Amino acid sequence: EAGVAQSPRYKIIEKRQSVAFWCNPISGHATLYWYQQILGQGPKLLIQFQNNGVVDDSQLPKDRFSAERLKGVDSTLKIQPAKLEDSAVYLCASSAVSGRTGELFFGEGSRLTVL
Amino acid sequence: KQEVTQIPAALSVPEGENLVLNCSFTDSAIYNLQWFRQDPGKGLTSLLLIQSSQREQTSGRLNASLDKSSGRSTLYIAASQPGDSATYLCAVRYGNKLVFGAGTILRVKS
Repeated sequence: EAGVAQSPRYKIIEKRQSVAFWCNPISGHATLYWYQQILGQGPKLLIQFQNNGVVDDSQLPKDRFSAERLKGVDSTLKIQPAKLEDSAVYLCASSAVSGRTGELFFGEGSRLTVL
Repeated sequence: KQEVTQIPAALSVPEGENLVLNCSFTDSAIYNLQWFRQDPGKGLTSLLLIQSSQREQTSGRLNASLDKSSGRSTLYIAASQPGDSATYLCAVRYGNKLVFGAGTILRVKS
């Protein structure tokens, strides 16, 4: 079974530029998550989708971050304009079961460096 | 506030030793708890998932326990190997929300 796919793996941009990350979840997984992991910290949820609807985006900085999941499959996370503090690894995860009991499976992550 | 704490932050042990990693959480109204492993520059790999109704789960040399009333979980690793060196994260599910600890960095010396 193919795992969660993410691209690009690495991205270096200057502040105020824009960047987009792509995620393809495990086939058949209805729930998709985007997490931000800053070095030395645990992942922090940015947004959770159930199919193509948003379940939780309370910690997404909506003035600069946006995410969509068209057709309930793959998803993109965009940052515009980027700030220095956005340097982090952006992790995508998916689960087969909605929310409460499902096991999460993570991709390899997309490492963003903002200069 | 729902917080997850992992102690110790880092641990270095000789190969072959049995070890315990600790995870504590402030709110006992959890749905489940999941232990992950993260290698440098990689994503998270799921190790064990314990539902709130369960007391423990085992997979190979790994055993995770859950005590909701005291707000604690432990991950026991038997006969540690250098290949076990990684960061171990626990994550507690509250409703739709998964709250992560900061992780324990484990180094197993050969």
